[in-house]
Amino acid sequence: GAVVSQHPSWVICKSGTSVKIECRSLDFQATTMFWYRQFPKQSLMLMATSNEGSKATYEQGVEKDKFLINHASLTLSTLTVTSAHPEDSSFYICSARAYRGDTEAFFGQGTRLTVV
Amino acid sequence: DAKTTQPTSMDCAEGRAANLPCNHSTISGNEYVYWYRQIHSQGPQYIIHGLKNNETNEMASLIITEDRKSSTLILPHATLRDTAVYYCIVTGGGNKLTFGTGTQLKVEL
Repeated sequence: GAVVSQHPSWVICKSGTSVKIECRSLDFQATTMFWYRQFPKQSLMLMATSNEGSKATYEQGVEKDKFLINHASLTLSTLTVTSAHPEDSSFYICSARAYRGDTEAFFGQGTRLTVV
Repeated sequence: DAKTTQPTSMDCAEGRAANLPCNHSTISGNEYVYWYRQIHSQGPQYIIHGLKNNETNEMASLIITEDRKSSTLILPHATLRDTAVYYCIVTGGGNKLTFGTGTQLKVEL
C-alpha cells in the first residue's frame, strides 16, 4: 500500500509552547488529509479534514485556533498544537487519500505528544 | 455515514480462521464497507473494502450479505501478529472515516 509518514513519532513539550506535526504522503498525491486524535483505551476521533489549497474543515468541538492545520501541497499537511496544555497530551494520527470516492485512506504511524 | 456494530472482543487460536462480524443495517446504496486494524500504538492499517460483492486480497476476505446489512471479515490463518483492534467502517462519498470502538481480536497459541 501507499506510504504516509508522520514526523516526529513522539514529542515532549512544555506547557504553553506550540508543537508542529508533519504528515507526508511519500508515493502519491493526497487531495485530502485527515487528522485524528486518540486518547488511551479509546477509539480514533476525527479532528479535521483538509483539502489541498483550501481551509480545513473542523469537527464539532475542535478548536480551530488551537489546532492549526495547513495543507499547502499535495504531499504535505501540518498540524500545529498551539499553547499546548497537559490535556492536549494524546496520540495524533494523520491519514491521506488520493482521490474522492472509492479509494482507501492510508495512515501515518502516529505522533505521541506529551505536554509537561 | 451508517452506524456499525461490532463485538467488543474475540479470541482466536493461531492457525485458525478468524471471522469478525459487523452489522450495518442502515447502510445506504452508495456506501462502502471498509475494514482497518490498529496494532497497539500504531496508526491504523487498511485491510480491505467492498460495496456489494465479496472481496479477497492477500490479507483477508470480506463477505457482504446480499441485503448489505452485515459483513464478515475473514483472516484465513490467524497469527499472533494479527492481534489488534479491527474496525468496520461504512462510508460514502463524504470520504470521512469515522471510527467506532471496534473488535479487539486476540490470537493465542
